[in-house]
Amino acid sequence: DVKVTQSSRYLVKRTGEKVFLECVQDMDHENMFWYRQDPGLGLRLIYFSYDVKMKEKGDIPEGYSVSREKKERFSLILESASTNQTSMYLCATRDPNSPLHFGNGTRLTVT
Amino acid sequence: KQEVTQIPAALSVPEGENLVLNCSFTDSAIYNLQWFRQDPGKGLTSLLLIQSSQREQTSGRLNASLDKSSGRSTLYIAASQPGDSATYLCAVPLYNFNKFYFGSGTKLNVKP
Repeated sequence: DVKVTQSSRYLVKRTGEKVFLECVQDMDHENMFWYRQDPGLGLRLIYFSYDVKMKEKGDIPEGYSVSREKKERFSLILESASTNQTSMYLCATRDPNSPLHFGNGTRLTVT
Repeated sequence: KQEVTQIPAALSVPEGENLVLNCSFTDSAIYNLQWFRQDPGKGLTSLLLIQSSQREQTSGRLNASLDKSSGRSTLYIAASQPGDSATYLCAVPLYNFNKFYFGSGTKLNVKP
């Protein structure tokens, strides 16, 4: 079974803090994704990566950056957290033409 | 642009009932379609992936069908149980698999 591990289930941060969300997968998948999920807005793609050090912007990249230094790890960085970034953050991975697998999510609250 | 719709938004059924969840998409040029379930406060769990060349895919009490020409997929759940209560989402990838279009989900409640 594919395992996608997000480092934190719940995080509470203050406005202006730099926040790191970590995602690790154990299946040597090429593609990794960061989504946020909000009530009424569904899942929205923030960034994805198709290889080490390679990344592309999704639909809502503003206020976020990513890092992929190793194939198994994809980090989402909030440079200066704001209250409108309070959300559920979901990491996903896949290989071409194989199912998309999600982690358990990180519920981030910015106060 | 692909649009994915799931109707109804919510469904409540008594335990033991067979039920069908619907997913429709506007662009029929899809490579595959995936069904997920999501429990409250958790991530999405992959249920079934059905390729564009397939008509059906089965896993246990779940059966997914795909009709590309009409832009529809259904998820059939046989003999529903309270443990099936969750939100069910469908998703289709963009042609380059760098983006997935998700439906807004159907929230299922199976009453004991």
